[in-house]
Amino acid sequence: AQSVTQPDIHITVSEGASLELRCNYSYGATPYLFWYVQSPGQGLQLLLKYFSGDTLVQGIKGFEAEFKRSQSSFNLRKPSVHWSDAAEYFCAVGARSGGYQKVTFGTGTKLQVIP
Amino acid sequence: NAGVMQNPRHLVRRRGQEARLRCSPMKGHSHVYWYRQLPEEGLKFMVYLQKENIIDESGMPKERFSAEFPKEGPSILRIQQVVRGDSAAYFCASSSPMGGREYNEQFFGPGTRLTVL
Repeated sequence: AQSVTQPDIHITVSEGASLELRCNYSYGATPYLFWYVQSPGQGLQLLLKYFSGDTLVQGIKGFEAEFKRSQSSFNLRKPSVHWSDAAEYFCAVGARSGGYQKVTFGTGTKLQVIP
Repeated sequence: NAGVMQNPRHLVRRRGQEARLRCSPMKGHSHVYWYRQLPEEGLKFMVYLQKENIIDESGMPKERFSAEFPKEGPSILRIQQVVRGDSAAYFCASSSPMGGREYNEQFFGPGTRLTVL
């Protein structure tokens, strides 16, 4: 069964600074990887996804993520953080199991942005 | 093309009452998934349904919880005799049939936030 680890529960960065959120997954075959963002009291918004091909994936709002098979990682990055990026970020892995896909989420990383 | 719809968005129940959460999948989608997000946690899979069939309910609590996806109408997640520990956000996702593809993306609704007093 697949699993996802987000080792950082909370991260604080200054506005304008760079950001990297860590995500490690466990799955035996090629995974389908996702990053979602959730603002307080809101639903999930898909930032980006990796299915195959180029291991550097571009998403919305200036985010990108790099799939590194050797490290089982899919870290999310942004070169310059804006105050509006403060939210909770979830990494997820999807995998085919028994004829359909199952999505497993990490526990999330809360991002605080300070002036 | 409307996305996944969930209603109500917020639901307040007293202990012992029943909660009914509804999910209308995206047009053309016949697969529905329910997830629960407890406070300060990530989303956890509960159940996967196709029209009139429960395919995988391995994440559903054994008692008080049930789900259905009838031939007509939305999918319903039903919680009987709610307790305070049921307070959470419940998200629905939908996808199209696999159709031989390796993976089909799930699209998430805005969630229903259940508060049990």
